Amino acid sequence: AQSVAQPEDQVNVAEGNPLTVKCTYSVSGNPYLFWYVQYPNRGLQFLLKYITGDNLVKGSYGFEAEFNKSQTSFHLKKPSALVSDSALYFCAVRAPTSGTYKYIFGTGTRLKVLA
Amino acid sequence: DGGITQSPKYLFRKEGQNVTLSCEQNLNHDAMYWYRQDPGQGLRLIYYSQIVNDFQKGDIAEGYSVSREKKESFPLTVTSAQKNPTAFYLCASSIQGGSPLHFGNGTRLTVT
Repeated sequence: AQSVAQPEDQVNVAEGNPLTVKCTYSVSGNPYLFWYVQYPNRGLQFLLKYITGDNLVKGSYGFEAEFNKSQTSFHLKKPSALVSDSALYFCAVRAPTSGTYKYIFGTGTRLKVLA
Repeated sequence: DGGITQSPKYLFRKEGQNVTLSCEQNLNHDAMYWYRQDPGQGLRLIYYSQIVNDFQKGDIAEGYSVSREKKESFPLTVTSAQKNPTAFYLCASSIQGGSPLHFGNGTRLTVT
């Protein structure tokens, strides 16, 4: 079955420290992978995507993600966390289905950056 | 400015009533999607539409219905058959071919 897993419900990190939010996926074919961020009572905002090319993808607000095909992972990273990065983060994959595509989301990871 | 508008932001209904959630986009996107968000369960796909007058069931379509009569609009009706309708509903759109989804700001539906 095609799926996305975010193994951590919550990640706590001190301001200024590096952060990692984990994501693994299972999908047939070449994966299109995405990260989104959600603030309270709002929709999701796109951060970055991987389709092809360099395994390290840079996105908005200083975030980056590393695609690892052998480990089927797409972890989100930032070298130095800000308190304002505290939010809910979702990993997603575009999955082929019945001649078209749909987007499958993980369950989300709540990031808390402590001052 | 282009974007997706969902209305209303908050909606309250009595059990047994059908309710329709609005989603309008002016991004000229072909594809539109409805997701339901519950705490700890992430986003689950209800329905999606790749072109006008065509739509497909997602993973949790039971108790919901949609229409796609215009490119800009993709309303979702939550029927009385939906057993647990209280949730946060998100509409999204995309250009075809693997582009990121653009999301509206959601409608929080409470049914009592």
